[in-house]
Amino acid sequence: IAGITQAPTSQILAAGRRMTLRCTQDMRHNAMYWYRQDLGLGLRLIHYSNTAGTTGKGEVPDGYSVSRANTDDFPLTLASAVPSQTSVYFCASSDRHSGLAQPQHFGDGTRLSIL
Amino acid sequence: DAKTTQPPSMDCAEGRAANLPCNHSTISGNEYVYWYRQIHSQGPQYIIHGLKNNETNEMASLIITEDRKSSTLILPHATLRDTAVYYCIVQYNNQGGKLIFGQGTELSVKP
Repeated sequence: IAGITQAPTSQILAAGRRMTLRCTQDMRHNAMYWYRQDLGLGLRLIHYSNTAGTTGKGEVPDGYSVSRANTDDFPLTLASAVPSQTSVYFCASSDRHSGLAQPQHFGDGTRLSIL
Repeated sequence: DAKTTQPPSMDCAEGRAANLPCNHSTISGNEYVYWYRQIHSQGPQYIIHGLKNNETNEMASLIITEDRKSSTLILPHATLRDTAVYYCIVQYNNQGGKLIFGQGTELSVKP
């Protein structure tokens, strides 16, 4: 089934540990995004990538890093997790080539708890 | 990106049309109006978008006022599965532009 796959679906992690959230899409979309969603704050952009090999910072990038080695994969890494990074993380992608408005397609999220 | 204002919540009877309003009075000429929804515990789902003309697809209709300062998302025959938070977002068409989500409208469809 075409779309975005996120893994794991949920995780409990000790503070200070390193964690990588995985995101893979099979739609050949150029642009990919990572958001976090917290109660009362809505979705906030962490990092994005407009094309393979490039990345950029969103609203809340601190404590996170991303890489975009190829079109399909966009992993998000927490180098040293802290409790404030407890959140639901959504990966999204969109097509950049057609020149028209670009809807974003979202995965089902990763629920991360940092203790 | 322009800001949007939506009512925090709305109710709708099952089978009736749900009309969700959105104000975007500072929208600029090259910004599109997008609607997404988020059903509990799932990722946001794209519904529809438009620039100035009204749009319709299999999910909904989008009515944009002539001055583009407001829009209405219409779900013609709401079902219980349409219960969700609906987000109105304005976005510059910069080929994969970042979305800025507000608080949205929590729509409750009741039997």
